[in-house]
Amino acid sequence: GAVVSQHPSRVICKSGTSVKIECRSLDFQATTMFWYRQFPKQSLMLMATSNEGSKATYEQGVEKDKFLINHASLTLSTLTVTSAHPEDSSFYICSAHRLAGVGETQYFGPGTRLLVL
Amino acid sequence: LAKTTQPISMDSYEGQEVNITCSHNNIATNDYITWYQQFPSQGPRFIIQGYKTKVTNEVASLFIPADRKSSTLSLPRVSLSDTAVYYCLVGETNTDKLIFGTGTRLQVFP
Repeated sequence: GAVVSQHPSRVICKSGTSVKIECRSLDFQATTMFWYRQFPKQSLMLMATSNEGSKATYEQGVEKDKFLINHASLTLSTLTVTSAHPEDSSFYICSAHRLAGVGETQYFGPGTRLLVL
Repeated sequence: LAKTTQPISMDSYEGQEVNITCSHNNIATNDYITWYQQFPSQGPRFIIQGYKTKVTNEVASLFIPADRKSSTLSLPRVSLSDTAVYYCLVGETNTDKLIFGTGTRLQVFP
């Protein structure tokens, strides 16, 4: 199946700093990528839809100035958590949408564990 | 997007068949039903997708009744490594969003 990578796999940062997470589709082009956040023992929560060449679409309640998304190419989307605080500590997962008829069309990355001290 | 309802948790023993049922009363005509598996600290992994009747692959079967208001994921002869959270999602196969529900936490015991 298609492969999606994330970098870094885990990051620890100080409160107030910004952290950038990369999501790459390694063997296909993705005009649309998605960013999710998952807290312990909870389900994935969709944060935003990343569209190549245009602005991201954020879900209700997600601050676009806090979580900056850039989708500059068909294989790369980045999520920047600006001025991170301890409550931003979470597991961030991206997925890339691959155009296909039916079957598996969305491929998930392995996730990035963010810890803000 | 149709909302899904699943049991929060299920327990099983190795070698047993596990059936996880998902309700999706508001499923739309163009919606497919997709199941994902997630292990701790990993991204979700696609298991199976179907539209109606029965679909089977090398790891699971998916049963969908005629009214499509529910679906059942069947895992034959589970092993300890099947301990995970299983999510049922509905949506157009080429649509944008996947909205995750609570999922079902399956615990397999030896």
